[in-house]
Amino acid sequence: EAQVTQNPRYLITVTGKKLTVTCSQNMNHEYMSWYRQDPGLGLRQIYYSMNVEVTDKGDVPEGYKVSRKEKRNFPLILESPSPNQTSLYFCASTELGAETEAFFGQGTRLTVV
Amino acid sequence: AQKVTQAQTEISVVEKEDVTLDCVYETRDTTYYLFWYKQPPSGELVFLIRRNSFDEQNEISGRYSWNFQKSTSSFNFTITASQVVDSAVYFCALSGSGTASKLTFGTGTRLQVTL
Repeated sequence: EAQVTQNPRYLITVTGKKLTVTCSQNMNHEYMSWYRQDPGLGLRQIYYSMNVEVTDKGDVPEGYKVSRKEKRNFPLILESPSPNQTSLYFCASTELGAETEAFFGQGTRLTVV
Repeated sequence: AQKVTQAQTEISVVEKEDVTLDCVYETRDTTYYLFWYKQPPSGELVFLIRRNSFDEQNEISGRYSWNFQKSTSSFNFTITASQVVDSAVYFCALSGSGTASKLTFGTGTRLQVTL
């Protein structure tokens, strides 16, 4: 079954404590990305990757890092989380190309206190 | 730059009413793709439809239908005979040949269907 798996689903952390949200896909897709969803703002792209070792900033990259060491995995790293990063995060995976449907993970609800 | 506008923040209807969710987009790409996603209360994103810029045919899938009008840059979504299970947030999104696989989302429309 085609799947994008994010972990954890829920996370409460304190300001400044480094955390990683994992994302893994089993469809051999080249393109992976992270979005954050905030009320009234929809989903905004944080970072994306077009292949292994190829990553680039999206629209709201400040405060985040990513890596793409393997094709299937695309973790999101918050080195020093702050309360304004409290949000719902989605990992997405798709074949390269504008026409393809994106597959989304289940979402990670992050609260930074 | 690409932009998607969903002007309706929240819509409330009574079951069995028809409802239309509006989506207006902006892009400079000549080839682009439009999507609708549903986000039920459980939070996941469910893909509903994809339409490319060269295909202006309306599409119907059961109680769902989509009206794509290039002349007005709109891609509206109609639910006929709404049901309580249709209650969700609906997102319209756009990707273009200039931005590869990136999706630009609208801010979403929350649909509440009551008995």
